[in-house]
Amino acid sequence: GAGVSQSPSNKVTEKGKDVELRCDPISGHTALYWYRQSLGQGLEFLIYFQGNSAPDKSGLPSDRFSAERTGGSVSTLTIQRTQQEDSAVYLCASRQTVAETQYFGPGTRLLVL
Amino acid sequence: GENVEQHPSTLSVQEGDSAVIKCTYSDSASNYFPWYKQELGKRPQLIIDIRSNVGEKKDQRIAVTLNKTAKHFSLHITETQPEDSAVYFCAASRNGGATNKLIFGTGTLLAVQP
Repeated sequence: GAGVSQSPSNKVTEKGKDVELRCDPISGHTALYWYRQSLGQGLEFLIYFQGNSAPDKSGLPSDRFSAERTGGSVSTLTIQRTQQEDSAVYLCASRQTVAETQYFGPGTRLLVL
Repeated sequence: GENVEQHPSTLSVQEGDSAVIKCTYSDSASNYFPWYKQELGKRPQLIIDIRSNVGEKKDQRIAVTLNKTAKHFSLHITETQPEDSAVYFCAASRNGGATNKLIFGTGTLLAVQP
């Protein structure tokens, strides 16, 4: 079946602008994660959604970052007033409720000029 | 806080040789340890994982070992091939907890020379 999809694949924006990144998880996966991968670094956890539970936002680096998950499926990560240090690849992953494996999307490469 | 250290950061081997990547985790409650392979510009792909009730797991040319006492786990690739060239990430998580979030190492760039 279809894997995790993300859009856009690339985004170039100017400092101070807002951006929205989208994630479509695998159908039926109740758990959804956002990670950030900076150049040459590992993946850094940002936020986690599980069904209708309150999200775990403990990884969000600042209040400029927020995320929503509508209808338990699609998720949007919003970065307000972007800064150059926000430049990174933003990866989404999803997982079945009782499984451990997280499946990653192709990521959105964000460049803030 | 939770942390995973990974070594080496780069590894170059000749085709046919073995490659070993080592990770150390800090959270003693971690119980799930996946390894992901990421080719240039591609998404991370799970290649093997191990749970804390198992000391070793093997899948063809790939094996992972876990030492819970020392909080170490390692990836072993035998008979390396050029297509094994990629960045490999280890991770640890506390499955069964509130989040099951993965804490990643910083990655190892493996280059297999033909």
